[in-house]
Amino acid sequence: GAVVSQHPSWVICKSGTSVKIECRSLDFQATTMFWYRQFPKQSLMLMATSNEGSKATYEQGVEKDKFLINHASLTLSTLTVTSAHPEDSSFYICSARDRGQVDEQYFGPGTRLTVT
Amino acid sequence: GENVEQHPSTLSVQEGDSAVIKCTYSDSASNYFPWYKQELGKRPQLIIDIRSNVGEKKDQRIAVTLNKTAKHFSLHITETQPEDSAVYFCAASTSGGYQKVTFGTGTKLQVIP
Repeated sequence: GAVVSQHPSWVICKSGTSVKIECRSLDFQATTMFWYRQFPKQSLMLMATSNEGSKATYEQGVEKDKFLINHASLTLSTLTVTSAHPEDSSFYICSARDRGQVDEQYFGPGTRLTVT
Repeated sequence: GENVEQHPSTLSVQEGDSAVIKCTYSDSASNYFPWYKQELGKRPQLIIDIRSNVGEKKDQRIAVTLNKTAKHFSLHITETQPEDSAVYFCAASTSGGYQKVTFGTGTKLQVIP
């Protein structure tokens, strides 16, 4: 149980285009989902936290107009990187908390984004 | 906000030896401390966690200790094996569904056969 999927697993896009990444909780309802970005050899940096049906809370320094997050249902959150640039190339990982549990979060497999 | 420091950044041990990774946190309200193992290009995997009402927790070769007064916690891996080689992250958060998790900077563990 407690499986989180992400799609796509990797994507290459051209500079200036937008990319959408999906995060799904497959066997539980996730009231809270988190989006992280991880650059090579670095830690996971939280970008934003989203609750189902409400606007995402962005961390300081993360542009909310560039990284659009939608948490439309209890099993799906999407991250759209708008007008992507090479510096947005990174490993994007989502995680979700089961509404029936208190602390543990379950991670998706990540999406490798390369902007050329 | 919470700040989590982690040491060392790299650690090499001989197979069979023990490995210790240490973390400190700044927010006294933090009460949940998970540890993750991440292999290259993969998702972080929870290997053990501890809550602030417990001082130590053990699961086979892995143990975690927590000193709430000093705001530090440590991961201990005994009888290390080559498959333990990975990057390990400590983290801290307050309990509850909306509370975010702050990660440490990571420790790259290499177990030499």
